[in-house]
Amino acid sequence: AQSVTQLDSHVSVSEGTPVLLRCNYSSSYSPSLFWYVQHPNKGLQLLLKYTSAATLVKGINGFEAEFKKSETSFHLTKPSAHMSDAAEYFCVVRNANSGNTPLVFGKGTRLSVIA
Amino acid sequence: GAVVSQHPSRVICKSGTSVKIECRSLDFQATTMFWYRQFPKQSLMLMATSNEGSKATYEQGVEKDKFLINHASLTLSTLTVTSAHPEDSSFYICSAGPGPWNTEAFFGQGTRLTVV
Repeated sequence: AQSVTQLDSHVSVSEGTPVLLRCNYSSSYSPSLFWYVQHPNKGLQLLLKYTSAATLVKGINGFEAEFKKSETSFHLTKPSAHMSDAAEYFCVVRNANSGNTPLVFGKGTRLSVIA
Repeated sequence: GAVVSQHPSRVICKSGTSVKIECRSLDFQATTMFWYRQFPKQSLMLMATSNEGSKATYEQGVEKDKFLINHASLTLSTLTVTSAHPEDSSFYICSAGPGPWNTEAFFGQGTRLTVV
C-alpha cells in the first residue's frame, strides 16, 4: 500500500523568502514521487518528478525537491517565493514499476505568498 | 510531454439528467485511464480505473451504476454521471500515461460539474 502525508495544510510566506512544503511517503515498492501545483479552478501542472534517478530533482519555476529514502521524505523547496506561486500543492506517490497503477495524492498544502 | 484532453471543461445540468465527460489521449495510446473527483478545498480521490476493452474497476464507495465508464478505444474514455444530483457537483479529472513502464501521468484539464 502507498500513502502520502503532507505535513502542513497551509503555509504562508513573504514574497522573496524561501518556501518549504513537507511531504512524507509510505510505499511497499520503490516509489515514483511527484509534486503537482493547482491554481484556483484550474487543472494540475507537474512541477517535478522523482523516478529513481538523481535524488535531487529540479523542476519548473525554480522549485526543487530531494528524495531522502532514510527519512521517507520528498520535501519541496524554492529559494525565493513569488506572488504567482500562491496555489495548492499536491505531493503524489506511485509504484515506480508500473505506469498502470493510480496515483495516490496527499491532502494538499495551500501556499499563500504575502507581499 | 504527452497530451490528455478532457471535455467539457464546465457543465451545468439539471437534477435527474445525465452528463457525459470525455477524456482523450491525443498523441499516445492508453490502455488504462484513471478518473478522479475533487470536492472543494479537498484533494483528488480516485473514483475508478478505466481499462480498454474491459470493465472499469471502481473504488470502494463509488457507485458503478451512477458513474458509468466506457473505454472503447485506446485513446478515449468516457465518464457518464447518470441521474445527477446536486451532491454530484464536483471537479472531475482524468489522467493517463504512455505506460506501463512510464510512470508519469498526464492530466486532462478537468470538468467542473454543477448540478442545479
